[in-house]
Parts: sequence; structure tokens; C-alpha cells
Amino acid sequence: AQKVTQAQTEISVVEKEDVTLDCVYETRDTTYYLFWYKQPPSGELVFLIRRNSFDEQNEISGRYSWNFQKSTSSFNFTITASQVVDSAVYFCALNLNQAGTALIFGKGTTLSVSS
Amino acid sequence: EAQVTQNPRYLITVTGKKLTVTCSQNMNHEYMSWYRQDPGLGLRQIYYSMNVEVTDKGDVPEGYKVSRKEKRNFPLILESPSPNQTSLYFCASSGGSGANVLTFGAGSRLTVL
Repeated sequence: AQKVTQAQTEISVVEKEDVTLDCVYETRDTTYYLFWYKQPPSGELVFLIRRNSFDEQNEISGRYSWNFQKSTSSFNFTITASQVVDSAVYFCALNLNQAGTALIFGKGTTLSVSS
Repeated sequence: EAQVTQNPRYLITVTGKKLTVTCSQNMNHEYMSWYRQDPGLGLRQIYYSMNVEVTDKGDVPEGYKVSRKEKRNFPLILESPSPNQTSLYFCASSGGSGANVLTFGAGSRLTVL
């Protein structure tokens, strides 16, 4: 069975601090896709990144970076120099390489950034 | 603009009063899905559809129905809502494979009294 664990329920930081959101996944499939979504206070779900299981390169996009390590089944997300606008719920999710399979979400990490 | 549109965005209803949450996408996506989001539980899939007239149960289908008569529309039907269906509902669509990014609607917050 597939599973995504986000052990950090809530994280509070002060602006300009760096913060890492952890994501651990479980699957026996060799081909799969990992995602991060952001849910700001307004409630919509915003896609941040997709990574396939064969690409372990870290990715950086501005202040955001992602570290994918198959050896530890982790796909962690780091925000550098956090800002108040980063306050949101962040979801890590897993999908298999099969048509119709559900995107399996972790329970989310609520990040609060104070000024 | 490519989008998934859900209506209503907010609804308060009473137990047993049938309601429908509509969902429409303009991206010609084959795959559509409904999720519910509850505190501490994350998002869980209710139903999904691979194409017109093809629907299947997700993880939490009890108390819900869906239909897919047209490619762009995927309504969620609560025949007899109960308070435990109070939740935030999201419709989503994608090209269908596991690699495809799901595009979500803005969400529908439903309260059943």
C-alpha cells in the first residue's frame, strides 16, 4: 500500500528563518511521482513541484528547494529566508505510474511565519 | 484561462436535503476526481472518473454519488447529506496518467446541520 507521512503537524518560524518540511513516502512501485502543493489561507490548492522516481536531482526555485532521496524515501521541502506570505498548509503527495490512481496526500504541515 | 470551476463555494444545508456540487473543467482532461479535506486527515479521494461514463470509487465513497455524462462536467451528489459530510470539497482534473499534475478547483465548503 502507498502512504505519505508528514510528521510535522505545525511549524512556527520568524521571518527570514529557513524551514524544512519533511515528507516520507511508502510504495513498492519503482515508478512513481511525488508532488508538493501549497494551500494558503484562502483555501485553494496550488501546485509547487512534481518529481519522478528516476530523477533524484535536487531542485531549486527561488527561495524554494526540494531534496529527493530514494534511499530514505524522503522528499523534503525547504524554504529559505521565509516570509509571512509563505504561511500556509503544505501537502506532500504521491502518485503511481498507473492511469486512474489517486493522488495520495500526507496530512499536511501548517507553516506559520511571523514578522 | 485553464481552470476547474466548482459551485457552490459555500453551502449550509440540513440533514437529508439532497444537494449537488457541480464541477466543470475547460482543459479537455479525461480524468476528474473529487476529494474531501478534513482537519487532521488531509485530502481523501471520494470518486474519480477516467472518462465519460466511466466512474469508480475512491477511499471514502459512502454517501456520495457522481456522474460523468460529459467530459467537462463531474458533479458530486449527496442524496441525503448527514453532519459527517460537513467538509471542504475539491474537484480536480488531469490528463489521466500518474505523471499528470492535478488541477484543483477553488473548493466548496459544505456544512450539514
